[in-house]
Amino acid sequence: NAGVTQTPKFQVLKTGQSMTLQCAQDMNHEYMSWYRQDPGMGLRLIHYSVGAGITDQGEVPNGYNVSRSTTEDFPLRLLSAAPSQTSVYFCASTPQGPGELFFGEGSRLTVL
Amino acid sequence: ILNVEQSPQSLHVQEGDSTNFTCSFPSSNFYALHWYRWETAKSPEALFVMTLNGDEKKKGRISATLNTKEGYSYLYIKGSQPEDSATYLCAFIDDYKLSFGAGTTVTVRA
Repeated sequence: NAGVTQTPKFQVLKTGQSMTLQCAQDMNHEYMSWYRQDPGMGLRLIHYSVGAGITDQGEVPNGYNVSRSTTEDFPLRLLSAAPSQTSVYFCASTPQGPGELFFGEGSRLTVL
Repeated sequence: ILNVEQSPQSLHVQEGDSTNFTCSFPSSNFYALHWYRWETAKSPEALFVMTLNGDEKKKGRISATLNTKEGYSYLYIKGSQPEDSATYLCAFIDDYKLSFGAGTTVTVRA
């Protein structure tokens, strides 16, 4: 049972580049979400989805896009990376939102 | 943006001692509060989901209480062990969104 899988685990980007962080879960969870973790600030919600085809903004959505075409996948897109987006990103899911979250292993992104 | 505060930011405990720390959250429109345990180099794992005023939850040596009227929750660790060293996060639930506190980092000295 893989749970929540995030790829890549590490990524270095240059300012202005775009990329997608992948998140997949095999637990048939309806609710999926993305967080960023910065020192001293805890986890901050970027975007979330309560089911396929439905997404909404969290606390810090600027600079990020998401889509939810299937129940399993919830990719996070950075359209034009900025140094302020250097962070560790976590994807999490739960059967119905928001119950107890199951987290992926995290993706460390550095923007130069 | 909801104000969820945890105190203290960090604490050091001698092995065998008990400790507790606090999560404060808005007292209006309460839905649920989560507690997570986050070990270094791992991902957060859920400890408790608390929904009712007066809730008390227990998992092994760790327990939590909830006061929704005054907007706080306590997490207790009884007889701390080195494996309890971690950051403990609380999260306030509001309309499908989670607002996390910055965490309390517990270090247990052997």
